[in-house]
Amino acid sequence: SQKIEQNSEALNIQEGKTATLTCNYTNYSPAYLQWYRQDPGRGPVFLLLIRENEKEKRKERLKVTFDTTLKQSLFHITASQPADSATYLCALRGINAGNMLTFGGGTRLMVKP
Amino acid sequence: NAGVTQTPKFQVLKTGQSMTLQCAQDMNHNSMYWYRQDPGMGLRLIYYSASEGTTDKGEVPNGYNVSRLNKREFSLRLESAAPSQTSVYFCASSGIAGRSYNEQFFGPGTRLTVL
Repeated sequence: SQKIEQNSEALNIQEGKTATLTCNYTNYSPAYLQWYRQDPGRGPVFLLLIRENEKEKRKERLKVTFDTTLKQSLFHITASQPADSATYLCALRGINAGNMLTFGGGTRLMVKP
Repeated sequence: NAGVTQTPKFQVLKTGQSMTLQCAQDMNHNSMYWYRQDPGMGLRLIYYSASEGTTDKGEVPNGYNVSRLNKREFSLRLESAAPSQTSVYFCASSGIAGRSYNEQFFGPGTRLTVL
């Protein structure tokens, strides 16, 4: 069966360090992968999209990598700040899935000052 | 632009009661979605509408019905609420004409408790 897995344990890091979050998938032929941020009590907000033929994407302090051989995406936040504390969700769109996304369970990031 | 709006924000129902969750978007998006989010389960797709006039089941459709009233509005109905439907419900929209890759825009959510 299709699965998208993110580390369910919270990631605690010190301000200024780089946070790295992992998204692994099985039994998918992805067209692209997206990362979302979700704050408590709010809906997810889109951050970055990476296509299946792209290796890396950057946006300001954010970097996403996509390895279709390893079936894994890594999400990096450099020079992390307490304001980056949130839950981060990855989502995959399969090749024949239209505009439908399947979401991972999310990883909570806590950045300590 | 308001983006995606949802009503109500909170609701408490008794088992067996019915209710409709409302969702509207003002971004001229073609596709709309209903998700539920439970602790540790992530977002699970209930129903979606790829375009006005069409609806399809997602991963967890049992106990729900939907109506795509027009391009802007997509409602979710619980005919006979059960405690297992206690969750946070999110509506989302996506699909700008001419783009192959579309992010989803989410509403603020409805927190539903079924007693």
